[in-house]
Amino acid sequence: EAQVTQNPRYLITVTGKKLTVTCSQNMNHEYMSWYRQDPGLGLRQIYYSMNVEVTDKGDVPEGYKVSRKEKRNFPLILESPSPNQTSLYFCASSFSPGLAGDEQFFGPGTRLTVL
Amino acid sequence: GNSVTQMEGPVTLSEEAFLTINCTYTATGYPSLFWYVQYPGEGLQLLLKATKADDKGSNKGFEATYRKETTSFHLEKGSVQVSDSAVYFCALREAHAGGTSYGKLTFGQGTILTVHP
Repeated sequence: EAQVTQNPRYLITVTGKKLTVTCSQNMNHEYMSWYRQDPGLGLRQIYYSMNVEVTDKGDVPEGYKVSRKEKRNFPLILESPSPNQTSLYFCASSFSPGLAGDEQFFGPGTRLTVL
Repeated sequence: GNSVTQMEGPVTLSEEAFLTINCTYTATGYPSLFWYVQYPGEGLQLLLKATKADDKGSNKGFEATYRKETTSFHLEKGSVQVSDSAVYFCALREAHAGGTSYGKLTFGQGTILTVHP
């Protein structure tokens, strides 16, 4: 089954404790992206990757890092989480967003709480 | 920059009622337009899309028409069901293939729909 998986689905942590949220897709997609969802704001892009070893900032990259060492994986790293990073995070992937109508597939989400 | 504005929610309807969720956008060029649906506890799923002016996207009884003259992409369904209860997001993606916003979906704030039996 074609899918995007994320782990963990739920995480409660404390300020300053480094964490990684994993994302994996099995569709051989070149493009992957991370979004955060906050009430009243919709989803906002954090980082994206056009291919292996090619990443770039989205609209809200502060406090986050990413890496793309393999095509299928795109982990999101919070080196020193703060309470304002409490949010619902989604990973997404697609074949080629340069093509009109290219569909982005979303993972199930990771709900992160930073105390 | 690009932006998407959706009608304020939540929207509460009775089963078999007509649904409209308004969506207007601001963008340069000719973006692709999307409606995504998020069921409780799940990720976003593509509901329908349109890639050029006057295109009509449709799926599962939902429809939306790309109106460039009014920069709108309103979602409609003639008869909603309880199973349609979800959060609906309107989104756009720029047509160009490069730049710092490559591939980015710009989302509206989402509209919560609740359908009662």
